[in-house]
Amino acid sequence: GAVVSQHPSWVICKSGTSVKIECRSLDFQATTMFWYRQFPKQSLMLMATSNEGSKATYEQGVEKDKFLINHASLTLSTLTVTSAHPEDSSFYICSARVSGGTRSAEAFFGQGTRLTVV
Amino acid sequence: AQSVSQHNHHVILSEAASLELGCNYSYGGTVNLFWYVQYPGQHLQLLLKYFSGDPLVKGIKGFEAEFIKSKFSFNLRKPSVQWSDTAEYFCAVRGGNQAGTALIFGKGTTLSVSS
Repeated sequence: GAVVSQHPSWVICKSGTSVKIECRSLDFQATTMFWYRQFPKQSLMLMATSNEGSKATYEQGVEKDKFLINHASLTLSTLTVTSAHPEDSSFYICSARVSGGTRSAEAFFGQGTRLTVV
Repeated sequence: AQSVSQHNHHVILSEAASLELGCNYSYGGTVNLFWYVQYPGQHLQLLLKYFSGDPLVKGIKGFEAEFIKSKFSFNLRKPSVQWSDTAEYFCAVRGGNQAGTALIFGKGTTLSVSS
């Protein structure tokens, strides 16, 4: 149980276009999902916290107008990279927290999405 | 602010060697501590976690970690590594009373095990 699925696993897009990444909790409800970004040989950096039915909370330095997050249901959060540029190329990972119960303190991760902007 | 420091960037071992990866965190209160592993091309997997109780935590695949509060450390150990342990290892921390908040990760340690 507690599987998080991200889609797509990898995407190549042209500069200036927008890309949507989906994060789904397959067998549990997640009131909170987190979006991370991972640069090569570096750690996961938290971008934003997404709460179902409310606006996402962005970390300092993350442009909320560029990285649009929508958490419309208890099993789906989306990250849209708008007007993507080559510097947005990175590995994006989502994480979901089980809502309530004994496993609510754990975080489960998606497989990540490799975005390449050309 | 919380932070995590992993001292070893890249560790190279032969099979059957013992492993210890260092992790120190910065946070004044109670903490939840985690070690994750990321195999090439795969997603993060939880190796083990510490919330409270016995500071020596045993995880999957023969890994264990010891929480030493006085040293703000949570080092990962394995007595005998295998080639299949080659992966990236991340230590992470979260405030113990902040179950709804994100994990803060260290920069990761790349482990390469030669057969």
